[in-house]
Amino acid sequence: QSALTQPRSVSGSPGQSVTISCTGTSSDVGGYNYVSWYQQHPGKAPKLMIYDVTKRPSGVPDRFSGSKSGNTASLTISGLQAEDEADYYCCSYATGYTYVFGSGTKVTVL
Amino acid sequence: EAQLVESGGGLVEPGGSLTLSCAASGFTFSDAWMTWVRQTPGKGLEWVGRIKSKTGGGTTDYAAPMKGRFTISRDDSKNTLFLQMNSLRTEDTAVYYCTTNIVVVSAMDYWGQGTLVTVSS
Repeated sequence: QSALTQPRSVSGSPGQSVTISCTGTSSDVGGYNYVSWYQQHPGKAPKLMIYDVTKRPSGVPDRFSGSKSGNTASLTISGLQAEDEADYYCCSYATGYTYVFGSGTKVTVL
Repeated sequence: EAQLVESGGGLVEPGGSLTLSCAASGFTFSDAWMTWVRQTPGKGLEWVGRIKSKTGGGTTDYAAPMKGRFTISRDDSKNTLFLQMNSLRTEDTAVYYCTTNIVVVSAMDYWGQGTLVTVSS
């Protein structure tokens, strides 16, 4: 199972919006509505930000939103803040009772 | 509050074996489906495998590179998850995280702090 494809980096100024794409296949992203997104700050464990494509766990700001079209899922951060600077990973359930992560995207707040 | 604490990481030679442990607290461990995720130095996350709860069947699933070499097991009486790793390769060098899904069924909403495994001669 190959890693899902994400852009290596995206950047934006405070207050702007950024969108991270996550491209897979019909055997993972396109086949199931079980895409999740994780935020990871340096030296820390990942934190769940979005699950089931669009849902936010309790405590996650509504600036974070998710969507999916075909084999590509997306995470949008609106009203970018300094503390949003981190690595972001998508993850999808895949055929064969497994999961696959994305390659990761570094978000830089300019 | 749910807590996961990994242990057992360290330096091991290629071809060697190592067993990681994950002590769980703050939730009903026996009902939880538990997952191992690893992160290679400077690289991304990789799903290792999962074990269902006994009421869920207790079965295991593994990523292809780990099948046949890694074994996930659990001791519900001790609230502990294990990852036995055999025939280790240099590319298995990574931080290994213990995770679970408590509030969210389909994603990993609780993570341990990770334990580092280094495979080197």
